[in-house]
Amino acid sequence: DIQMTQSPSSVSASVGDRVTITCRASQDISNWLAWYQQKPGKAPELLIYAASSLQSGVPSRFSGSGSGTEFTLTISSLQPEDFATYYCQQANSSFGPGTKVDIK
Amino acid sequence: EVQLLESGGGLVQPGGSLRLSCAASGFSFSSYAMSWVRQAPGKGLEWVSVISGSGGSTHYADSVKGRFTISRDNSKNTLYLQMDSLRAEDTAVYYCAKERGKGSDCWGQGTLVTVSS
Repeated sequence: DIQMTQSPSSVSASVGDRVTITCRASQDISNWLAWYQQKPGKAPELLIYAASSLQSGVPSRFSGSGSGTEFTLTISSLQPEDFATYYCQQANSSFGPGTKVDIK
Repeated sequence: EVQLLESGGGLVQPGGSLRLSCAASGFSFSSYAMSWVRQAPGKGLEWVSVISGSGGSTHYADSVKGRFTISRDNSKNTLYLQMDSLRAEDTAVYYCAKERGKGSDCWGQGTLVTVSS
C-alpha cells in the first residue's frame, strides 16, 4: 500500500504569512493527489484536485503543485478563516496525517 | 444543489453489525464514484472504501477488508456501507463523499458510529 506523509505536522503563522505544506507519497502517484481543509466539527472541503487544479469556489490564494511523489500546498497570504487542519490524499485512497495551521 | 445525507449511525456492541446509508440529491448519482471516509474522535481522516458509478468496481482499506461492504442503489440515489464484525477501533464519524475524479468534491455531514459494550 502507498503511504502518505505530511510536513510539518503543525505550523504557527500570522495573518498575511505565506504557508507551505508538503505531502510525500511512498510510490509514484502521478497527479492523483487532492488537498482538503477541515475545521473542527465540520466535514472536509476540497481545495485542490489532480495535484494542481483549484476547486471551484476556492480562493486563488490556495495553490497546489507537484507530481510523482512530492507535492505542495501553498497559501499565499493567510487569512483568518484559513486556520484549520489540512490533509493530502492519494485520490480514492489513503490520507496524510494532517497539518494543523494555527495562530502564532 | 448537491447534497449528501448520511444516516444509520449509532451505538453497537463489539462483533455487531450496522448499515449506513447516504442519500444523494442534486446530481446525476449513477455518473459518479462514491466513497466512505471515517474519522475517529480527535484523529485524522481515514479512507474506507470507494465504489464506481455503476457499482461494478469496489475497493477497500486493509483495515476493513472482509468486514465492510460498500454498495449503491442508483434507482434510489443511495450509497450504503454494511459494517459487520465491528470493533472498538471502528468508532468514528463516517462521511460519504462524491468523487469528481482525483478528489472528493462534496461531503455529507457525517454519522457517528460508536462500538462499545
